Amino acid sequence: KAGVTQTPRYLIKTRGQQVTLSCSPISGHRSVSWYQQTPGQGLQFLFEYFSETQRNKGNFPGRFSGRQFSNSRSEMNVSTLELGDSALYLCASSLSVRYNEQFFGPGTRLTVL
Amino acid sequence: SQQGEEDPQALSIQEGENATMNCSYKTSINNLQWYRQNSGRGLVHLILIRSNEREKHSGRLRVTLDTSKKSSSLLITASRAADTASYFCAPSGDTDKLIFGTGTRLQVFP
Repeated sequence: KAGVTQTPRYLIKTRGQQVTLSCSPISGHRSVSWYQQTPGQGLQFLFEYFSETQRNKGNFPGRFSGRQFSNSRSEMNVSTLELGDSALYLCASSLSVRYNEQFFGPGTRLTVL
Repeated sequence: SQQGEEDPQALSIQEGENATMNCSYKTSINNLQWYRQNSGRGLVHLILIRSNEREKHSGRLRVTLDTSKKSSSLLITASRAADTASYFCAPSGDTDKLIFGTGTRLQVFP
């Protein structure tokens, strides 16, 4: 079974631009969560989707948004990029939303110049 | 939701030694998970222990859970250089999302 895939793996943007990151969960997994990891803030929860519905949201500004498609693939979007958005963005999938083991993708390394 | 806090923040040992890292949390949980992250990569699930379990083993890993003290520990026996990574605990209560702490950075020297 293929693991969680994230595209692109690396991205360089400039301030003010927007970016869309993609995540394909493991086949059969319906829950997708997104995390931001930075050296200063650690691993922070962004949001979680299940069956195309956002179930949980972390404490991030509205510039961060996401969605999930009917095939469980998910995208997250960051608009009006700031230098502080430079981070490793991790996507994780699980079979369902409650207490299940999460399978992480390799992440997308975003650099904002 | 709640966050686990790992201790120590960093740990350096020699190959063959045992490594112990701890996790504390604040409210009641249904289960607690441990994850490993190699530098700059995604997290890998190691083990899940339920609130009604006290100890669980997986290969060289041993996890204990003390719900009365709201703490868990992860023991890695006979450490190898390949165990060098950051380790995170994720307690899970009534809410669904996992909140990770800052992790313990383990360095195993050959």
